[in-house]
Amino acid sequence: QKEVEQDPGPLSVPEGAIVSLNCTYSNSAFQYFMWYRQYSRKGPELLMYTYSSGNKEDGRFTAQVDKSSKYISLFIRDSQPSDSATYLCAILRGAQKLVFGQGTRLTINP
Amino acid sequence: EAGVAQSPRYKIIEKRQSVAFWCNPISGHATLYWYQQILGQGPKLLIQFQNNGVVDDSQLPKDRFSAERLKGVDSTLKIQPAKLEDSAVYLCASSSPGQGYEQYFGPGTRLTVT
Repeated sequence: QKEVEQDPGPLSVPEGAIVSLNCTYSNSAFQYFMWYRQYSRKGPELLMYTYSSGNKEDGRFTAQVDKSSKYISLFIRDSQPSDSATYLCAILRGAQKLVFGQGTRLTINP
Repeated sequence: EAGVAQSPRYKIIEKRQSVAFWCNPISGHATLYWYQQILGQGPKLLIQFQNNGVVDDSQLPKDRFSAERLKGVDSTLKIQPAKLEDSAVYLCASSSPGQGYEQYFGPGTRLTVT
């Protein structure tokens, strides 16, 4: 069983829509959950991270962790064409090792 | 603050040839990582350095891949000999101690093995 699983999509939505991106993870001991964004031909960049469970909001982005179901989500409100990218969920194993999901390719259509 | 630098950006080689990639991390970042990202997949950690020392190389194919980090700053990743399945983007990242969740990535080197 993979440590992190993510629906690869692709996902295509109209501008202004609410986007929901999801991942599941296998080990209940994981405490740090990250979302990285990767534009085409660029390296990933950290978008948000959550420690333990609950929600975290940053502008149009909300990260949510449900530890009971081992489910992590990223919501994007009022999506913009500039949000078109690949979104990677990741967990932190140990002190410094990131394990990434497969990535979901998102396109926001004007 | 300058980001993580990598070179070359693109490389095309034939199978069984050798290739080397270079990375310069963010100044002051003690931890350096090399990842392999195959098209359509998430990055997979190959090797992690803490200063000069290797912390984790459990997923590095040691029969053909090698990496070093001299003086705890720059790093090189080498493949010899390359196989077709090594075609991927090789990403370098760095982080501050204790900030492993926040890794800063370079633009990557896109390797094509023909």
